[in-house]
Amino acid sequence: SAVISQKPSRDICQRGTSLTIQCQVDSQVTMMFWYRQQPGQSLTLIATANQGSEATYESGFVIDKFPISRPNLTFSTLTVSNMSPEDSSIYLCSVAGSGQGYGYTFGSGTRLTVV
Amino acid sequence: QQPVQSPQAVILREGEDAVINCSSSKALYSVHWYRQKHGEAPVFLMILLKGGEQKGHEKISASFNEKKQQSSLYLTASQLSYSGTYFCGTEISGNDMRFGAGTRLTVKP
Repeated sequence: SAVISQKPSRDICQRGTSLTIQCQVDSQVTMMFWYRQQPGQSLTLIATANQGSEATYESGFVIDKFPISRPNLTFSTLTVSNMSPEDSSIYLCSVAGSGQGYGYTFGSGTRLTVV
Repeated sequence: QQPVQSPQAVILREGEDAVINCSSSKALYSVHWYRQKHGEAPVFLMILLKGGEQKGHEKISASFNEKKQQSSLYLTASQLSYSGTYFCGTEISGNDMRFGAGTRLTVKP
């Protein structure tokens, strides 16, 4: 399965600022997924990022707030813009397995606290 | 599209069994099961594809009832290392994973 390097692992940010989270995969993948997980809760899909096209956002998430870049098949970034305390959460990137029978692999997550 | 998962929490003694259920209102392409320990990323356990096949290894297995769009995860003779939060994830068409609310499993000595 793929190995994902995600950074930063955690950050404390001032409200109104932006944070960019990076994910590097050790193999080429078509799709990368960005999830948000609030403490003690489930994972919510933010968007799906394909290389060479605009990301597809889920209901409740917009590009102005969570711009995503996908410059190549091994890398993606998620920016959390104009942050407020409600954005405090864990953000995870993920890729699907390379064939039938393989699950998703997750990055180690970014724990974001907005003060 | 989020699957419904139950129970919310389970407390076991070592050696006891548990069943976690997951259901969807839509026809599924696949069901995944993941375990997440505190402060860590979810880890893939197994996937069940259309066809009702039961999968598993050693003391953790799962089934998928395609007619009912329901899956169950079976934990047999639980060990302390089984503690964590279990999530089912469902795909309707592939590459569209949605996760259930999670089941917090605590195994006590």
